[in-house]
Amino acid sequence: GAVVSQHPSRVICKSGTSVKIECRSLDFQATTMFWYRQFPKQSLMLMATSNEGSKATYEQGVEKDKFLINHASLTLSTLTVTSAHPEDSSFYICSAREALNSPLHFGNGTRLTVT
Amino acid sequence: SQKIEQNSEALNIQEGKTATLTCNYTNYSPAYLQWYRQDPGRGPVFLLLIRENEKEKRKERLKVTFDTTLKQSLFHITASQPADSATYLCAPPFSGGYNKLIFGAGTRLAVHP
Repeated sequence: GAVVSQHPSRVICKSGTSVKIECRSLDFQATTMFWYRQFPKQSLMLMATSNEGSKATYEQGVEKDKFLINHASLTLSTLTVTSAHPEDSSFYICSAREALNSPLHFGNGTRLTVT
Repeated sequence: SQKIEQNSEALNIQEGKTATLTCNYTNYSPAYLQWYRQDPGRGPVFLLLIRENEKEKRKERLKVTFDTTLKQSLFHITASQPADSATYLCAPPFSGGYNKLIFGAGTRLAVHP
C-alpha cells in the first residue's frame, strides 16, 4: 500500500530556532501534499496545501512566513517552522495523494516541543 | 460556510455489538466522502470512500452509507472488537482549492470486552 514517511517523529528545540519536517511518499508520486496540525484531543486543522513546483496555498490564519512549505518534487514536501515559540508546540502531520479524488495517505506525524 | 459535524461525545459499546457513527455536513454537496481511523499519536489511516451515487459501501466488518438528501453519512462497525477502539474521522472534500480535505472533529469509539 501507499506509504508516507514523515521525519523526525519527535523534536525538541529552543525558542527562536527553526525546525524542518520532511514528508516523503515512498512508493507513489504525490501530486498534492497537505500539512495539518493537531492539538491534544482536537481534530486535524489544515494548515496548507502544496502542489509540486508551485507555491503552497495557506489556510486563513496560518502565517506563510512562519510555516514555510516547499514541495520540490513529486515525492517530497518540507515544512519549516521558523523562529519557533512555545505556542508552536503541536503535532504536525503531513499527507499525500496521487490524484485529485484519491484518498489521503498520512505520515505518522511529528511531535514538536519548543522550550 | 461548509461545515462538518460528528458526534464529539465518545461512544462506548460492548464487544460484539455494532457501532454506528454519524457524520453530518451542511452548506454544500460533496461528490464523495471519506472515512479515516486515527489512533493516539499516529496519523489517520484511510478506511473507505463512498461516492454520491453509492448508497452503501462495505469492507469486511465496515459499512458506510451516504444519504445526500439528509446530508449525512453513517459508519458502522459490526461485531466490534476492542482493537476497533480509536477515533474515527469523516472527511468530505471541500469544493475548490484542490479538493482539500477538512476533517470533522471525530468520534472516539471505545469497545469494551
